[in-house]
Amino acid sequence: TQLLEQSPQFLSIQEGENLTVYCNSSSVFSSLQWYRQEPGEGPVLLVTVVTGGEVKKLKRLTFQFGDARKDSSLHITAAQPGDTGLYLCAGPRSDSGYALNFGKGTSLLVTP
Amino acid sequence: GAGVSQSPSNKVTEKGKDVELRCDPISGHTALYWYRQSLGQGLEFLIYFQGNSAPDKSGLPSDRFSAERTGGSVSTLTIQRTQQEDSAVYLCASSLAGPWQFFGPGTRLTVL
Repeated sequence: TQLLEQSPQFLSIQEGENLTVYCNSSSVFSSLQWYRQEPGEGPVLLVTVVTGGEVKKLKRLTFQFGDARKDSSLHITAAQPGDTGLYLCAGPRSDSGYALNFGKGTSLLVTP
Repeated sequence: GAGVSQSPSNKVTEKGKDVELRCDPISGHTALYWYRQSLGQGLEFLIYFQGNSAPDKSGLPSDRFSAERTGGSVSTLTIQRTQQEDSAVYLCASSLAGPWQFFGPGTRLTVL
């Protein structure tokens, strides 16, 4: 099983601040995905990164895949209360098609 | 609806009873996944169905857990002789191709 470690576990910031959360593994992944989950809902896919060194932007969110494809980061610029949620990274299980291994997530709270 | 639906949304049962959880995937999606999300453990893969292939059951935690998918669409996850450690949110996801999965809202199971 390919383990994904996310940090920090919890993050509480004020509106307007910038933040970065991390997803690390000792294993190489063919791709990594980032999801956001709100209370009472299932995770919603934000982005998939595939190429080592790849950077993708989604409005104020910037995702980067490490050159060695073992880690990824999510940077949020000028956070807003609507960014509050659980951010999960996930990578394909090496032994089960497209089923995913998930990190335990970073719980983000953005206060006005 | 257009998304993945799950029922019931909440289930409270007594230890030792059997429960059935239902998932209706997005129409036309050939792949269906079950995950379990519990405090401290994050999201764990349970089982994966792909078309008419034999399901990948490698994530099922014990033989009390089973799942079937009828007609390539609706899936039922059954937990026999429930234990308190089975309490969790059970999430279903479906996909058409690749690792891009769409999640349902989950069923919150509480075993008393």
